Amino acid sequence: QVQLVESGGGVVQPGGSLRLSCVASGFTFRSYVIHWVRQAPGKGLEWVALTSCDGSEKYYADPVQGRVTISRDNTKSTQYLQLNSLIHEDTAIYFCARAMGCNYPQSRYFAYWGQGTLVTVSS
Amino acid sequence: DIQMTQSPSSVSASVGDRVTITCRASQGINNWLAWYQQKPGKAPKFLIYEASTLQSGVPSRFSGSGSGTDFTLTINSLQPEDFATYYCQQTNTFPLTFGGGTTVEIK
Repeated sequence: QVQLVESGGGVVQPGGSLRLSCVASGFTFRSYVIHWVRQAPGKGLEWVALTSCDGSEKYYADPVQGRVTISRDNTKSTQYLQLNSLIHEDTAIYFCARAMGCNYPQSRYFAYWGQGTLVTVSS
Repeated sequence: DIQMTQSPSSVSASVGDRVTITCRASQGINNWLAWYQQKPGKAPKFLIYEASTLQSGVPSRFSGSGSGTDFTLTINSLQPEDFATYYCQQTNTFPLTFGGGTTVEIK
């Protein structure tokens, strides 16, 4: 079955960095877009970023643009999210979510989700 | 950015009730809309896409409708496992955006 397992979260000081990973199994990784979506404590869902199936195209939400880099390694079935210059507002559970395919519109639906990894930005 | 507004923010209902949740987009998004269910401490679950297509395995008591700017999620004959928070999401334009959520609570 489809499984997504995030890791890499933790407590970091403002201005610090973290690299999140999302390891996938149970499907052909290169055939699906993977997104990152976050949820601040007690708040709603916020889309963060995606990369295309071959990794050539990347899209970011405005609040993280310039501070975050998304990448994927199809040989390892793993997606990454490099978080830099972290601020308090980045505190959230970060979920990776698999889309329904590579192409629009299937690429923009979050069909399967991991359990999330918590990032806390605190001094 | 396209703003998604859900109403109500919360609703109290009993098992067996019909519940309707509304989602309004700040501009037209055709039928490019999804619905998710989230229970406390859990990841969201994908329910509906393209406004009205039920994801495989989702019970038929869930249904979605709408096009353009106004959409609804209806839960017929509410079951105990349906008490949760529901989010709409537009897929028409980047950035992808969610509504603020509607919590269905036990009356």
